[in-house]
Amino acid sequence: GAGVSQSPSNKVTEKGKDVELRCDPISGHTALYWYRQRLGQGLEFLIYFQGNSAPDKSGLPSDRFSAERTGESVSTLTIQRTQQEDSAVYLCASSLSLSGTGELFFGEGSRLTVL
Amino acid sequence: AQSVSQHNHHVILSEAASLELGCNYSYGGTVNLFWYVQYPGQHLQLLLKYFSGDPLVKGIKGFEAEFIKSKFSFNLRKPSVQWSDTAEYFCAVKSRNNNDMRFGAGTRLTVKP
Repeated sequence: GAGVSQSPSNKVTEKGKDVELRCDPISGHTALYWYRQRLGQGLEFLIYFQGNSAPDKSGLPSDRFSAERTGESVSTLTIQRTQQEDSAVYLCASSLSLSGTGELFFGEGSRLTVL
Repeated sequence: AQSVSQHNHHVILSEAASLELGCNYSYGGTVNLFWYVQYPGQHLQLLLKYFSGDPLVKGIKGFEAEFIKSKFSFNLRKPSVQWSDTAEYFCAVKSRNNNDMRFGAGTRLTVKP
């Protein structure tokens, strides 16, 4: 597609439920990132994928968080047993490979509210 | 992994005032440097970037940033701000060796008309 697409744009869930957020990167972008942005705070790195290399999961806050990416296409971020502290906007971004400009292109984000 | 520090959390200026937002990073290798902006209700977008060459880079809307390698800094400047510059500004650092991109906590700029 023309840009990074994320879904759902808004998700309200009850504490303890699992949620799945989806990101469709720009075609041809081998790098994909997930960030979390809590209200009034900056971007918190979660995970990034680069081609077929092992993902960098160093930013995932707990084992309730996981992410997958199939090849160089869609990625899903899964949060199990959601807590109120998980409420945030989850941003996905994609980028060309190492030889590219390195500029990140962001999606609109998925706003998660845990009641 | 690299880390990024933005010193100012919230800056309030009057129109026509000059702006400088601080950004320092911590990383031993070669990096690319970026400033992103998030206008109210909009998604993040690139303001300017530094890869190599002239350490003073110019971006959109009259913004510029200077890379000072010895200070590990990449401060953002604008000589005269406008009300429309009200936004959140994020400094970011990417390692040249991989695609690891880290952001600072952001600085919220409010420009009073």
